[in-house]
Amino acid sequence: DQQVKQNSPSLSVQEGRISILNCDYTNSMFDYFLWYKKYPAEGPTFLISISSIKDKNEDGRFTVFLNKSAKHLSLHIVPSQPGDSAVYFCAALIGNAGKSTFGDGTTLTVKP
Amino acid sequence: NAGVTQTPKFRVLKTGQSMTLLCAQDMNHEYMYWYRQDPGMGLRLIHYSVGEGTTAKGEVPDGYNVSRLKKQNFLLGLESAAPSQTSVYFCASSYPGQGAKQPQHFGDGTRLSIL
Repeated sequence: DQQVKQNSPSLSVQEGRISILNCDYTNSMFDYFLWYKKYPAEGPTFLISISSIKDKNEDGRFTVFLNKSAKHLSLHIVPSQPGDSAVYFCAALIGNAGKSTFGDGTTLTVKP
Repeated sequence: NAGVTQTPKFRVLKTGQSMTLLCAQDMNHEYMYWYRQDPGMGLRLIHYSVGEGTTAKGEVPDGYNVSRLKKQNFLLGLESAAPSQTSVYFCASSYPGQGAKQPQHFGDGTRLSIL
């Protein structure tokens, strides 16, 4: 059973508009969540994270929201730029073991 | 800083052949990981290591072995390659955070095809 799910394989938005990427999880033991961004032929790079004791974390154009009761998190990108076009992975982990469970990714396309 | 370096970047093998993928990191990270990514799927953990000389199984360990003889290197071995192991392999490393979770730093991947 997949513990971290990204139900939208792809998302297309216009430059300057908001991009919202969603992620759902099933394991209530997850206490830390991260978003990674991946360009073709490159490895994923860390984007933003949030602890389960918070419900929002903001870093420039990127904001992650966590709804623990719904076991749902989302990544908001405002305003979206063509350079944001990439695959975005949601990841969750428990404690300090370091092991992350990844979703299948959402491909974001930002059109000029 | 090179970060995480994976060798080789591409490789084609025949069924039954063996090979070793090398991962090297220069960030003095304790934790290292090997993942595979298949088309349309996320990263699945094969094996990981929390320190020199220690390894542990991840989600999909069958058909793979690993070794962490030096802190900076993590090797992934395929003893008898099978077509089902055709994938992109990513290595990552991280520092065990003290009360704060540390993100993983990834290499650029090794594209492996088994014929």
